[in-house]
Amino acid sequence: GAGVSQSPSNKVTEKGKDVELRCDPISGHTALYWYRQSLGQGLEFLIYFQGNSAPDKSGLPSDRFSAERTGGSVSTLTIQRTQQEDSAVYLCASSFSGGGGADTQYFGPGTRLTVL
Amino acid sequence: RKEVEQDPGPFNVPEGATVAFNCTYSNSASQSFFWYRQDCRKEPKLLMSVYSSGNEDGRFTAQLNRASQYISLLIRDSKLSDSATYLCVVNMGDSGGGADGLTFGKGTHLIIQP
Repeated sequence: GAGVSQSPSNKVTEKGKDVELRCDPISGHTALYWYRQSLGQGLEFLIYFQGNSAPDKSGLPSDRFSAERTGGSVSTLTIQRTQQEDSAVYLCASSFSGGGGADTQYFGPGTRLTVL
Repeated sequence: RKEVEQDPGPFNVPEGATVAFNCTYSNSASQSFFWYRQDCRKEPKLLMSVYSSGNEDGRFTAQLNRASQYISLLIRDSKLSDSATYLCVVNMGDSGGGADGLTFGKGTHLIIQP
């Protein structure tokens, strides 16, 4: 079946512009996660959605970052007034139920964001 | 103290050799453990879960040592295709960070040499 998809695969933007990154999770997966990974670094948690519950936003680095998940499926991560330090690969993952991390996370291919 | 720590490497290992690396975690209440593999410029993919009794999948063996709070990954008869970064993932439960308690290590870079 189809895996997690993300778009765009690459995004180059100018400092100060807003960007939107999209994630389509695997159908039926209730848990959705956003991470970012800078070059040579580990995964940095950003935000977690579980079903209809309020999202866990504890990883968002600043109020320029926001995310929503419509209809319990597609999610959009928005970065306002981008800065050069926002340059990274933004990875989305989904899992069947979350459930304390017992379920496997399936990652999308990521969006490589470059802020000039 | 970092919550999940890994030796970043790189580990340079000749083809056919056995290699092992560990991952330490800080929260003794951690509930579940995983190894993910990430190829260069690709997304992470689950390699194997780590069970309390230890588990084996072909050439790969994962073990958990709760007393010393570490998990290990052993690769036997290493192949060139095993070259990748191996990420340790620990579920810290409710006392952990976000992402449903999941915390990723920064990874160990493994290079298998011909």
